[in-house]
Amino acid sequence: GESVGLHLPTLSVQEGDNSIINCAYSNSASDYFIWYKQESGKGPQFIIDIRSNMDKRQGQRVTVLLNKTVKHLSLQIAATQPGDSAVYFCAENRDNAGNMLTFGGGTRLMVKP
Amino acid sequence: KAGVTQTPRYLIKTRGQQVTLSCSPISGHRSVSWYQQTPGQGLQFLFEYFSETQRNKGNFPGRFSGRQFSNSRSEMNVSTLELGDSALYLCASSLGTGDTQYFGPGTRLTVL
Repeated sequence: GESVGLHLPTLSVQEGDNSIINCAYSNSASDYFIWYKQESGKGPQFIIDIRSNMDKRQGQRVTVLLNKTVKHLSLQIAATQPGDSAVYFCAENRDNAGNMLTFGGGTRLMVKP
Repeated sequence: KAGVTQTPRYLIKTRGQQVTLSCSPISGHRSVSWYQQTPGQGLQFLFEYFSETQRNKGNFPGRFSGRQFSNSRSEMNVSTLELGDSALYLCASSLGTGDTQYFGPGTRLTVL
């Protein structure tokens, strides 16, 4: 079936380095993509989103890149900090699916001091 | 502005019982969606409500149901609980369709 998936289950980076978390999606009808961060014991926290008419969007220390040709989404975190340690999920939404989000499996980011 | 709140935060039930979970969306948000999160299946969509109407439903059995009130608060009910229903149940609210969804802290349900 169609799904959103992640390439790496765990990513370990040194504090201060940049992090890149990847996500592949298979449904070309997807037109809205979101990254969430989930810390232990908490609900997913919105980080950044991007719509299919864009290929890049920047926030504070985060950048999301969308490559519709290869159906690939990435989240870049600049100057990774210990507080960035969490599980990151990508999610997709399709125009005819209301607010139903399809989530990827998640990537655990571990930041080493 | 207060975030999405969910009550209770933790619940322990036994097989065969039923449970009701509550969600209060961010003020002004009219759409509420529910998700189930388990280690094995990840985050899965249950259903979405907007203006007291269910607009979308995920692939879950009829034991899972929900409703939304006129003040946008929402409840979900699970009847005849099974061990496999043990999960974190998350509620998310948004202004409307296609808008950013913000999640609550979840209700951790354990079925014994």
